[in-house]
Amino acid sequence: DTAVSQTPKYLVTQMGNDKSIKCEQNLGHDTMYWYKQDSKKFLKIMFSYNNKELIINETVPNRFSPKSPDKAHLNLHINSLELGDSAVYFCASSPRGGVGGYTFGSGTRLTVV
Amino acid sequence: DAKTTQPPSMDCAEGRAANLPCNHSTISGNEYVYWYRQIHSQGPQYIIHGLKNNETNEMASLIITEDRKSSTLILPHATLRDTAVYYCIVRDSGYALNFGKGTSLLVTP
Repeated sequence: DTAVSQTPKYLVTQMGNDKSIKCEQNLGHDTMYWYKQDSKKFLKIMFSYNNKELIINETVPNRFSPKSPDKAHLNLHINSLELGDSAVYFCASSPRGGVGGYTFGSGTRLTVV
Repeated sequence: DAKTTQPPSMDCAEGRAANLPCNHSTISGNEYVYWYRQIHSQGPQYIIHGLKNNETNEMASLIITEDRKSSTLILPHATLRDTAVYYCIVRDSGYALNFGKGTSLLVTP
């Protein structure tokens, strides 16, 4: 069983489109995260949810909207996609407070053309 | 803001110990040292973490200096599959992991 699963694995779309990436974890963790890894390979936190409540919202354009229907799911919706949104997006989960380490998904490679 | 300093790259021969250093001179008393690695665009993988004492698990050992200003991750018998970018991260509980540039470790045959 995959602990943190993301879908889709690859996403190619045109500028201006709206797309969603889904994430699910079966670890029973309370906290989930979205990270973005750009072409320079820097991993940056975007959002963090604790038991469906938003607790971290870094400086991210409001075209990005996370949604957590329950504590096992954290989806990322992106409106009006731009070329600069092309990156690999990683979902992660952890116990409350992140103690003991995060578990990351395998990533979604988003390419905006 | 970078709280840690790591060499950008290192090499290690297969079967030898890989010792990856990390400086964190501004670490505060309640901040942990975490190590993660990322193998070629896969999701980062948790390795080990510690506060003051040295730690060991099935993957690696973590040696933290007494003043806690630096640490070393030791992979006792490196294999080709250990080739990855290794990240040393300092964080307090309740805050998200912030990744720096890491050390790119190349294990050679």
